[in-house]
Amino acid sequence: EPEVTQTPSHQVTQMGQEVILRCVPISNHLYFYWYRQILGQKVEFLVSFYNNEISEKSEIFDDQFSVERPDGSNFTLKIRSTKLEDSAMYFCAGHLGPGGGYTFGSGTRLTVV
Amino acid sequence: SQQGEEDPQALSIQEGENATMNCSYKTSINNLQWYRQNSGRGLVHLILIRSNEREKHSGRLRVTLDTSKKSSSLLITASRAADTASYFCATEGMNRDDKIIFGKGTRLHILP
Repeated sequence: EPEVTQTPSHQVTQMGQEVILRCVPISNHLYFYWYRQILGQKVEFLVSFYNNEISEKSEIFDDQFSVERPDGSNFTLKIRSTKLEDSAMYFCAGHLGPGGGYTFGSGTRLTVV
Repeated sequence: SQQGEEDPQALSIQEGENATMNCSYKTSINNLQWYRQNSGRGLVHLILIRSNEREKHSGRLRVTLDTSKKSSSLLITASRAADTASYFCATEGMNRDDKIIFGKGTRLHILP
């Protein structure tokens, strides 16, 4: 069964550093998302991406966040200057279109120290 | 917000018993989905029920949807230790490119 692949599985970074989280979505998916989950809390929407542009972003997704799909396959989330409160699991997800279930990656655990 | 909210927050039952988790939401939806998450792991899609459906089955899972009450339930029959996980409902809004919004989840613990 096709999978969404996320790398790295765990990243530790110093506060203020830039991090790039990577995702390889399923090839025929059209809609892509980033979600995050702070430890013990619910899964929060960050951003959706369709047709090579952001279609919606949450209030969490401020100017320090950006997304790209540079080569038509990889889908990246960049955090420019990490803060302690950015520590969370970050999930990439995709689906074919409205009305279909989402396929999530196994996540990247980001720890900001 | 179309946000789903599950109850109970936590549920412990004996192996073999049925587990029922409920979800309520606030706005009109295109569909409602249930996901499972093992501790510290990714989210696994279990089942999707569309707004024009009332009940759906998949193996030991049964999902109901009552759009008049804006609520859904997930029933796991004959529970097993391996069902221990957190279960989340997520609702997709009516717009074409709407994202799904998750509830806070139910932590299910199956006692051997």
